[in-house]
Amino acid sequence: DAKTTQPPSMDCAEGRAANLPCNHSTISGNEYVYWYRQIHSQGPQYIIHGLKNNETNEMASLIITEDRKSSTLILPHATLRDTAVYYCIVRPGPISGGSNYKLTFGKGTLLTVNP
Amino acid sequence: DAGVTQSPTHLIKTRGQQVTLRCSPISGHKSVSWYQQVLGQGPQFIFQYYEKEERGRGNFPDRFSARQFPNYSSELNVNALLLGDSALYLCASSLRGESRQYFGPGTRLLVL
Repeated sequence: DAKTTQPPSMDCAEGRAANLPCNHSTISGNEYVYWYRQIHSQGPQYIIHGLKNNETNEMASLIITEDRKSSTLILPHATLRDTAVYYCIVRPGPISGGSNYKLTFGKGTLLTVNP
Repeated sequence: DAGVTQSPTHLIKTRGQQVTLRCSPISGHKSVSWYQQVLGQGPQFIFQYYEKEERGRGNFPDRFSARQFPNYSSELNVNALLLGDSALYLCASSLRGESRQYFGPGTRLLVL
C-alpha cells in the first residue's frame, strides 16, 4: 500500500471548515484514498473514500488532486465533537472474495476543534 | 442494529499469562479483522478472517493466534504475555472483501 504523509496536528475554530491535507505521491492507479477518524478511547470510524473524483457525504468532502498525489478532507462546519485523530489511508479498493484488505494506519493528524 | 461488540472492555494480566479477547461482528458481516494499537500509534493489523479462514496476517509473533466461529464471531489469543503487549485491541468487521470496516470499541489490555 502506498505511504501517506499527514501533519501531526491541526487546530480549527468551532463552526469553521477544517481542511486536513494528506500527501500520497506514490499512489498507484488502482488505489483508493480512505479517511478514518478515531475519537479518544474509541475505535476508528470510517468517514469517506474516493478514487479520483471528489466525493461528499453527510460527514465530509474529499478533494483529490488531478494527479492523485494528494488529497484534502474537509469538515465543512467543525464542532467540538470532531476533535479526533484523522487517518488518511491509501489502498486498493473494494475487493471481492474476501481477499486480504488490511488497513495500514500511520500516526494521523490530531485535529483539535476549539470553542 | 448493534455495532461490533468486544469483550471484555478492560483486562489486567501479568507477564507470562495467556489472554483471550472476543469479538462479535455486525449481523451479516462475514469478515473480522484484529488490530493492535499501542499508545501514541495508529492501529496495526494482526489478522483477518473471512468465512472462518485466515486471509491475512500481520507482522506479529506466533504467540498471537485467532479463530472465527460458524456464527462469524472471533477470538484473539495471546500467549506468554509480555509488557509490550499492553495495548488497545480492536476488532473490525465488514460484509465481504471491502475496505470499509466497522470497528468495535476495543479491549484495553494491561500487562504488569
